[in-house]
Amino acid sequence: NAGVTQTPKFRVLKTGQSMTLLCAQDMNHEYMYWYRQDPGMGLRLIHYSVGEGTTAKGEVPDGYNVSRLKKQNFLLGLESAAPSQTSVYFCASSYVGAEAKNIQYFGAGTRLSVL
Amino acid sequence: DQQVKQNSPSLSVQEGRISILNCDYTNSMFDYFLWYKKYPAEGPTFLISISSIKDKNEDGRFTVFLNKSAKHLSLHIVPSQPGDSAVYFCAASGGGGADGLTFGKGTHLIIQP
Repeated sequence: NAGVTQTPKFRVLKTGQSMTLLCAQDMNHEYMYWYRQDPGMGLRLIHYSVGEGTTAKGEVPDGYNVSRLKKQNFLLGLESAAPSQTSVYFCASSYVGAEAKNIQYFGAGTRLSVL
Repeated sequence: DQQVKQNSPSLSVQEGRISILNCDYTNSMFDYFLWYKKYPAEGPTFLISISSIKDKNEDGRFTVFLNKSAKHLSLHIVPSQPGDSAVYFCAASGGGGADGLTFGKGTHLIIQP
């Protein structure tokens, strides 16, 4: 049982380039999330999805787009990368439910550097 | 404006003793609180949680206490073991915003042999 898998694990981009981070979960979870973690900071919510075909903005959505075409996948896109987007990105998923949705299962993260 | 605060960036505790990690919050709408543990190069893993209607939840060596009037929660680990060395994040939900968690900055717990 793989849980939550993120690809790639590492990436270096030049300013202005685009890329897509992929998150896949095999737990049949309804909810999926994208967070970023900067040095000395906690995780901050970028976007999330409460089901296939739905997405919503989190705390820091600017500069990112997301798509949830399949229940098991949640994609995070950077259309024109900026140095301020250098961070570690974590994907998470959870079951539906007032309390269950808070117990989130995280992937190992994608370390992104934008030069 | 940080809504979840962990004011101790690091904490060193001797093996076998009690570790106490603290967390304060400002948003009175939070109704569920969690602790996550994170090792280097891994994602956070869920440790223990507590609903705002309770004041204590226990799971083996881990106990979380919630003081709503003070907007304060703490995680007690007893006895502390070497494998407990990690970064611990306090998180909260139900703050009236998005359907996700609001995290503190984390406390790096170091268990000394």
